[in-house]
Amino acid sequence: EADIYQTPRYLVIGTGKKITLECSQTMGHDKMYWYQQDPGMELHLIHYSYGVNSTEKGDLSSESTVSRIRTEHFPLTLESARPSHTSQYLCASSELASGGARDTGELFFGEGSRLTVL
Amino acid sequence: KNQVEQSPQSLIILEGKNCTLQCNYTVSPFSNLRWYKQDTGRGPVSLTIMTFSENTKSNGRYTATLDADTKQSSLHITASQLSDSASYICVVSDRGSTLGRLYFGRGTQLTVWP
Repeated sequence: EADIYQTPRYLVIGTGKKITLECSQTMGHDKMYWYQQDPGMELHLIHYSYGVNSTEKGDLSSESTVSRIRTEHFPLTLESARPSHTSQYLCASSELASGGARDTGELFFGEGSRLTVL
Repeated sequence: KNQVEQSPQSLIILEGKNCTLQCNYTVSPFSNLRWYKQDTGRGPVSLTIMTFSENTKSNGRYTATLDADTKQSSLHITASQLSDSASYICVVSDRGSTLGRLYFGRGTQLTVWP
């Protein structure tokens, strides 16, 4: 079992509301990620972090923002939610591998946060 | 263009039967290939990870194979159980996790019927 937790699991809100999706891991991992997943589609990376005070945008453009003030926390915030933000958001973490040939950087996922914006 | 293609898109089998899921990729350079199982409404869980030098790896009733020359992988499930019903996702990394990018397939939706 992976020690990475997401809250809330489900959220239904109205357009224009500000929301924060929480993600915490107790494995001491340096690298953390946020993915967006729609039904039947592949996961898309929207944000990642190499460690405290490090945040980078992923491959998929997103209006959300993230912060990494503590190693274990990587919250995602939407300042003004819209129906187009309706999706499943998955948080993940991995060790910052040394880059050796056999480093695989096992990725551990949280259970996901299902966001519906009305 | 680096891509990961999975087939079939969906599959229905009877409990106790075996099945094989396919993954073809064009990712280069290649670092490792992972198979994940994702139950409906849950996060993906790792089944296997294979590097360039590994051509088979097992995890219980799950056996993954890798042919780095043809850039193909398969996931074989033996004696399927109802709990195997899930989406199986193939993920390819172009380098180690420090610098590499992960390319995700869309998954194969497996349904096991009693």
